Amino acid sequence: QKEVEQNSGPLSVPEGAIASLNCTYSDRGSQSFFWYRQYSGKSPELIMSIYSNGDKEDGRFTAQLNKASQYVSLLIRDSQPSDSATYLCAVNGGSAGANSKLTFGKGITLSVRP
Amino acid sequence: DTGVSQDPRHKITKRGQNVTFRCDPISEHNRLYWYRQTLGQGPEFLTYFQNEAQLEKSRLLSDRFSAERPKGSFSTLEIQRTEQGDSAMYLCASSPRGLREQFFGPGTRLTVL
Repeated sequence: QKEVEQNSGPLSVPEGAIASLNCTYSDRGSQSFFWYRQYSGKSPELIMSIYSNGDKEDGRFTAQLNKASQYVSLLIRDSQPSDSATYLCAVNGGSAGANSKLTFGKGITLSVRP
Repeated sequence: DTGVSQDPRHKITKRGQNVTFRCDPISEHNRLYWYRQTLGQGPEFLTYFQNEAQLEKSRLLSDRFSAERPKGSFSTLEIQRTEQGDSAMYLCASSPRGLREQFFGPGTRLTVL
């Protein structure tokens, strides 16, 4: 089982729609969960972090965490063409500690159609 | 610019040569991480420093790879006797004391011919 798994893509949504990106992780002791956005040829940019069960909202982005189901998701409301990118789910903590390495999923590519 | 910086941004080398990359973290960030990313994959952890101490090194990392952070500020990553399989984007990230977020630099793209 992969440590961090993101559902297969690519994902295509029309402009203005809600994009839903999902991620599951295997280490039940994981403590911190992050979403990074990566444009083609660029480095990952942190867009959301979440540590507790529930929802966390920041502008058009909402991160959702369910530790019992080992599931974390990112919702992008009112999707814009500029949101077209690869979104990486990353997890750390667990046995390695809160300041440890990030373990990434493969990413999912989002395309927002004008 | 107060973000993480990396140098060089691109490096082309021939198989068997040694290469060295530099990372300057965000000022006063005490933790520094190196990752490697290949096409279609998420970044893969290589090593991690807290101040000048190297606290963790990936088991996947061969002994051709070495990293230093001698004064707890900038860090270097050296790859000896490069192989074509070393071709990747090498990413550096830093993190401040008391926070868990990691902030990435622009990366160094290595091509081994």
